[in-house]
Amino acid sequence: GDSVTQMEGPVTLSEEAFLTINCTYTATGYPSLFWYVQYPGEGLQLLLKATKADDKGSNKGFEATYRKETTSFHLEKGSVQVSDSAVYFCALSDQGAGGTSYGKLTFGQGTILTVHP
Amino acid sequence: GAVVSQHPSRVICKSGTSVKIECRSLDFQATTMFWYRQFPKQSLMLMATSNEGSKATYEQGVEKDKFLINHASLTLSTLTVTSAHPEDSSFYICSARGTIYNEQFFGPGTRLTVL
Repeated sequence: GDSVTQMEGPVTLSEEAFLTINCTYTATGYPSLFWYVQYPGEGLQLLLKATKADDKGSNKGFEATYRKETTSFHLEKGSVQVSDSAVYFCALSDQGAGGTSYGKLTFGQGTILTVHP
Repeated sequence: GAVVSQHPSRVICKSGTSVKIECRSLDFQATTMFWYRQFPKQSLMLMATSNEGSKATYEQGVEKDKFLINHASLTLSTLTVTSAHPEDSSFYICSARGTIYNEQFFGPGTRLTVL
């Protein structure tokens, strides 16, 4: 079945440091890929998505590129802020067309990010 | 974006009792709702998918008689954990998808502790 593997956390960085959170996946077909963020006390929010190979999703300074050859969707940000402290989830949807997350979502285990001033 | 609420945010109950968790879409009509379970330091696991007015579709390994899901209206779905036991203690999260917004919106979750 489908699966998503994220780098283990927690990740602790100083403000303005470069962030990478690795994500690899196993899936049949052509899934859509997502990054969700969960701030303390809040629900998961969609951060960015990519629907096909070589697509780059971006939002709020975060980026991730859909790499089919390496089955990866690593999350990056050039300069993190304290407000980026949250839990980040990589996910895939088994209904790739259209880029919606309406299909079943398979999540990675989540990575806790803490950014210090 | 759309807002999804859950109630209660935390519940503690005795073993053998039943607990109901509500999931509401506050500003959109949710044709499909999803229920997830999350163990500490682990991923979200999909338990079931419910479409308004239809029976829920449960994932393999999820006991449908233990986790009763009702999606009777376009803004409300409920998850009832029947005869709860300590192993049912977990974080339960719902999400909702409508016809206008093409994505799932997540509730903040409900922490269930069974003593």
